[in-house]
Amino acid sequence: ILNVEQSPQSLHVQEGDSTNFTCSFPSSNFYALHWYRWETAKSPEALFVMTLNGDEKKKGRISATLNTKEGYSYLYIKGSQPEDSATYLCALVMRFNKFYFGSGTKLNVKP
Amino acid sequence: DSGVTQTPKHLITATGQRVTLRCSPRSGDLSVYWYQQSLDQGLQFLIQYYNGEERAKGNILERFSAQQFPDLHSELNLSSLELGDSALYFCASSASSGGGSHTDTQYFGPGTRLTVL
Repeated sequence: ILNVEQSPQSLHVQEGDSTNFTCSFPSSNFYALHWYRWETAKSPEALFVMTLNGDEKKKGRISATLNTKEGYSYLYIKGSQPEDSATYLCALVMRFNKFYFGSGTKLNVKP
Repeated sequence: DSGVTQTPKHLITATGQRVTLRCSPRSGDLSVYWYQQSLDQGLQFLIQYYNGEERAKGNILERFSAQQFPDLHSELNLSSLELGDSALYFCASSASSGGGSHTDTQYFGPGTRLTVL
């Protein structure tokens, strides 16, 4: 079983703050890393898929980077808004297409 | 709305029983994935089917089985249910247009909440 760690476990920020959290993993032998946004009482929603070392992806105020050599990915949110409140999950896709999820970072943005 | 449907939304049953959860993927998607989210655990990948064939297997118990039918809908069968099987079960689908599905965007259904009493 692969241990995908996300930190912090939870985060409380004020509206307008920029924030970032980490997904770390022990192996560089993976095929892809996925980021998901999961709002309470809804289903996970795909944000990014990253594959290459140095990959950077952006969608609006949210961006992500990937460092395969040191085993981490960062997710950044610029100017957090209350609607950004959600749990952010990362998942590593390993050999044989097996997915390993982290336990998520729960973000709460206060107005 | 992701376009993935799951039925039923809620299911309450007793230990030892067997249930079937159903998933209809987005139109045109060939891959279906099943996940389990228990209270004390994160999202666990169970199994993936691609165009009717098993593609990948995760932490799926032997008491659980799945299949994907010619019309691409999928069913997850859970038997000899235990209290610990109570969880939210998600299905997701992706297009899997070829060359491996590890970079495919997955679209999640609303989930089936299973309660085993």
